[in-house]
Amino acid sequence: DAGVIQSPRHEVTEMGQEVTLRCKPISGHDYLFWYRQTMMRGLELLIYFNNNVPIDDSGMPEDRFSAKMPNASFSTLKIQPSEPRDSAVYFCASSLAGLAGGGGEQFFGPGTRLTVL
Amino acid sequence: KQEVTQIPAALSVPEGENLVLNCSFTDSAIYNLQWFRQDPGKGLTSLLLIQSSQREQTSGRLNASLDKSSGRSTLYIAASQPGDSATYLCAVIYNQGGKLIFGQGTELSVKP
Repeated sequence: DAGVIQSPRHEVTEMGQEVTLRCKPISGHDYLFWYRQTMMRGLELLIYFNNNVPIDDSGMPEDRFSAKMPNASFSTLKIQPSEPRDSAVYFCASSLAGLAGGGGEQFFGPGTRLTVL
Repeated sequence: KQEVTQIPAALSVPEGENLVLNCSFTDSAIYNLQWFRQDPGKGLTSLLLIQSSQREQTSGRLNASLDKSSGRSTLYIAASQPGDSATYLCAVIYNQGGKLIFGQGTELSVKP
């Protein structure tokens, strides 16, 4: 398996623009997670899905952030409008089992480095 | 507050040394604990996953232990190599909340 795939790897945009990050989880994994990593706050969970359904979005910082998972092999994280403080590395991860299975091992993608000017 | 703490923040050792990285968590009610490695500019690589019912896991030169009663985990690296240089992150899923909570990481440098 190719692992978790994210695109783009780097994104530079101007304040106010819409940004869409994409993720393809490992085939067969039914949990998908979006994280954000900054120097100040470390790694934070934004939202996670189980079987394409959002389960917990309490980590999404503002209404400017939204995430969708239209099918088992694709998810997007959208920021509209973007702001300089959104600059960070955004990671997608997937796992085979959730809490019911004792909490599955999470596998991370390479991340998208977002810079908002 | 559910937190994960890693000490030290940075560690430098000569090649060949055995070393221990520490992780502490605030609540013993956890589902599991996972150790990751992150190379500069790269994603996270899962190293070891310890379920709450387990005491340790081993993979090659790595051994991770879990002591829920004291809220601690250690990652032991035997015979360190320059290729082990990276940031090592500890993460816990607490029973309450169900999210993977990360520590700030320990930046390891192994000098040849």
